[in-house]
Amino acid sequence: ETGVTQTPRHLVMGMTNKKSLKCEQHLGHNAMYWYKQSAKKPLELMFVYNFKEQTENNSVPSRFSPECPNSSHLFLHLHTLQPEDSALYLCASSQDLVRREAFFGQGTRLTVV
Amino acid sequence: EDQVTQSPEALRLQEGESSSLNCSYTVSGLRGLFWYRQDPGKGPEFLFTLYSAGEEKEKERLKATLTKKESFLHITAPKPEDSATYLCAGFKEGGSEKLVFGKGTKLTVNP
Repeated sequence: ETGVTQTPRHLVMGMTNKKSLKCEQHLGHNAMYWYKQSAKKPLELMFVYNFKEQTENNSVPSRFSPECPNSSHLFLHLHTLQPEDSALYLCASSQDLVRREAFFGQGTRLTVV
Repeated sequence: EDQVTQSPEALRLQEGESSSLNCSYTVSGLRGLFWYRQDPGKGPEFLFTLYSAGEEKEKERLKATLTKKESFLHITAPKPEDSATYLCAGFKEGGSEKLVFGKGTKLTVNP
């Protein structure tokens, strides 16, 4: 166990569906992140939250909508996705934006059909 | 443009055959560099942080080193359970919180 839990582990959704990914960290960290991992590509940062405030949106399409209700929970709301959005979505946390060692969850394998 | 390049893309070793993975970076204002291990279908697992040239960190059969332009992950007498993809990522002083990841090296250790 890494201390960062993601649910669901696998998700198949149609292009017209709305779904949400959930992430919870039990490490007492203050920064949380969403990453996208596609085959043959480096990990891509999507969003950064620090003390519940969004500090970075890395030019992510609006069909991805993050939510951070507190420092322990992070959501990624999905709607009208495209097949090319199929990927492994990883949540991570770090102590803060100075102590940057990030601890990752197991990821959600998303397939858009 | 900030970039991290890992080589080789894939590496096959026999059990006990030591080798090194390379991570070269062109990240302006690099603050430090991370190494991660990722098993198939799982999230990356943190291994090491390196902050300054000449720094070394060790964990079991792994040793990470850092120079001004690149980092190496040395694997001594690897075992099959060391098979995984190894990722490195650079992060910058101030400014964007973005980590710049390489594509990884997929290591396979055959018994």
